[in-house]
Amino acid sequence: DSGVTQTPKHLITATGQRVTLRCSPRSGDLSVYWYQQSLDQGLQFLIQYYNGEERAKGNILERFSAQQFPDLHSELNLSSLELGDSALYFCASSVEGHNTEAFFGQGTRLTVV
Amino acid sequence: SQQGEEDPQALSIQEGENATMNCSYKTSINNLQWYRQNSGRGLVHLILIRSNEREKHSGRLRVTLDTSKKSSSLLITASRAADTASYFCATDPLSSGAGSYQLTFGKGTKLSVIP
Repeated sequence: DSGVTQTPKHLITATGQRVTLRCSPRSGDLSVYWYQQSLDQGLQFLIQYYNGEERAKGNILERFSAQQFPDLHSELNLSSLELGDSALYFCASSVEGHNTEAFFGQGTRLTVV
Repeated sequence: SQQGEEDPQALSIQEGENATMNCSYKTSINNLQWYRQNSGRGLVHLILIRSNEREKHSGRLRVTLDTSKKSSSLLITASRAADTASYFCATDPLSSGAGSYQLTFGKGTKLSVIP
């Protein structure tokens, strides 16, 4: 158990809908990261937050947004969903950034039908 | 975009043999990390090697880093069936600013260890 909790574990929704994925980082970790894993694209970095502030942005679509709350949990919002958004979405956390390991949650499997 | 690229994409060995996976990357880095993923589950951190280190050991794992060639290798000795998983290298690019941490993963090597 990494200490990072993601909910829900599975999500099935229709095209055009909006969903929210939730992540609780390990106790004491200030950095939260979101990744998307699909068969064709591999693990893609989406976004990083540190103590409530956005610090790094990767290949995150405009239809996607995230935030980190004062209690350090984070949410990833995916809207106007398309079939191609079906993937595993991982949250990870770490104490700080460079030269520290990231701890990953078990992921949310999103299926868009 | 992928920073690291693992080679081979898939590797099948007998239990007890050694497994070697390679990773090449494109830009200068702060560190390189190896992670393991069992099918459809979360990634587990294995080892982190900093850019000023050349070799690191952890149990049956040995990682080397050659920054001049922008490459790393992961050696798993005396493999076991339980080592069957996908292995990813991830790089922390030097271009990341302070507090900004964009760990970038390769596509992974799928290792199968046959009992």
